[in-house]
Amino acid sequence: QSVLTQPPSVSAAPGQKVTISCSGSSSNIGNNYVSWFQQLPGTAPKLLIYDNNKRPSGIPDRFSGSKSGTSATLGITGLQTGDEADYYCGTWDYSLSAGVFGGGTKLTVL
Amino acid sequence: EVQLVESGGGLVQPGGSLRLSCSASGFTFSTYSMNWVRQAPGKGLEWLSFISGSSTTIYYADAVKGRFTISRDNARNSLYLQMNSLRAEDTAVFFCARGPVADFDYWGQGTLVTVSS
Repeated sequence: QSVLTQPPSVSAAPGQKVTISCSGSSSNIGNNYVSWFQQLPGTAPKLLIYDNNKRPSGIPDRFSGSKSGTSATLGITGLQTGDEADYYCGTWDYSLSAGVFGGGTKLTVL
Repeated sequence: EVQLVESGGGLVQPGGSLRLSCSASGFTFSTYSMNWVRQAPGKGLEWLSFISGSSTTIYYADAVKGRFTISRDNARNSLYLQMNSLRAEDTAVFFCARGPVADFDYWGQGTLVTVSS
């Protein structure tokens, strides 16, 4: 059971928009920055969003992040078949003194 | 170009030990904190351990505390994970990742550890 809660799967058609939620608590999301990672099949994870809503160099602005209270959201617009991947949220948990990830969300682009 | 290359994975019997290495290049290794993250087959990501650039701050996940030891050698641009008392549930791909928790901006390709008799 992951400390951060994500939906197991989401799906949408090419060109559409999708959001992926990440729910936590005051000991993690509520008092720390959230990052989002994309993991394509058979590859290492890749940083998509850091500090709640910042994109590393090279990440297209189709990807966005937001945070409100103890929840965070990843948004992807203009969906492409190449976006099919597993997406993970992550942050620090002060109570555990440990890094924590969500269980991951599998995105299917129909 | 930043590169992280893990090595040292393999097949080990339950109760055995293994030492993973992560060789870093393309950046000033000593100025970055580093982490180990693992992924069991078909499962999600699990953060394991953090070490600051000067090794003064170290954290572990409860699942590996007391069994795994993180360390680094800045002169060799290398990160290590000494794993003792291995269990079947430790079977996973182990990744090293650069940065503070959880702003992991670069990841290695991973090394597979299989714990089985």
